[in-house]
Amino acid sequence: DAGVTQTPRHEVAEKGQTIILKCEPVSGHNDLFWYRQTKIQGLELLSYFRSKSLMEDGGAFKDRFKAEMLNSSFSTLKIQPTEPKDSAVYLCASSLGVAETLYFGSGTRLTVL
Amino acid sequence: QQKVQQSPESLSVPEGGMASLNCTSSDRNFQYFWWYRQHSGEGPKALMSIFSDGDKKEGRFTAHLNKASLHVSLHIRDSQPSDSALYFCAASGANTGKLTFGHGTILRVHP
Repeated sequence: DAGVTQTPRHEVAEKGQTIILKCEPVSGHNDLFWYRQTKIQGLELLSYFRSKSLMEDGGAFKDRFKAEMLNSSFSTLKIQPTEPKDSAVYLCASSLGVAETLYFGSGTRLTVL
Repeated sequence: QQKVQQSPESLSVPEGGMASLNCTSSDRNFQYFWWYRQHSGEGPKALMSIFSDGDKKEGRFTAHLNKASLHVSLHIRDSQPSDSALYFCAASGANTGKLTFGHGTILRVHP
């Protein structure tokens, strides 16, 4: 079975640009998550979808971050406009639901200049 | 305050030795716990889950959960250099699939 696929693996953006990160969850999984990973803050939840409905979005990330599930097998995370402090690894994960293991993609490393 | 706290921040053990990692939660809503491992350049991968009090063993890895104190530990026996990685403790509540992660423990296994 294919795992979680994230593209691109690396992204470099200029301050103020719009970038879109992509994620394909494990087939059949109902829950999809976007996390941001930095050395200082660790793993922070950006968005949580259940069966394509937004269950939770990280309060601190609402204004410039927007995650969407276009269908059950594809999600995007848009950052608009980007700022240097957004430089981080963005991880997508999926699971079958409550009390189930999250499976992560390899992440997208974003660098904002 | 971080809801899931891990200790130590880093740990170095000799090859073949025992590594012990700790995790404490401050949220009594947490019911389910996991240990994840992340190698450089990869996403975190689940090692094991533990939902009931007591020990759970999978190969060289043993997790222990004490729900009364919200304490989880992970013990790795016969540590190998390939075990060198960042280890996360994660927890979730009864009605959500969302996991809250600790900051992680860096484990280095030296030959």
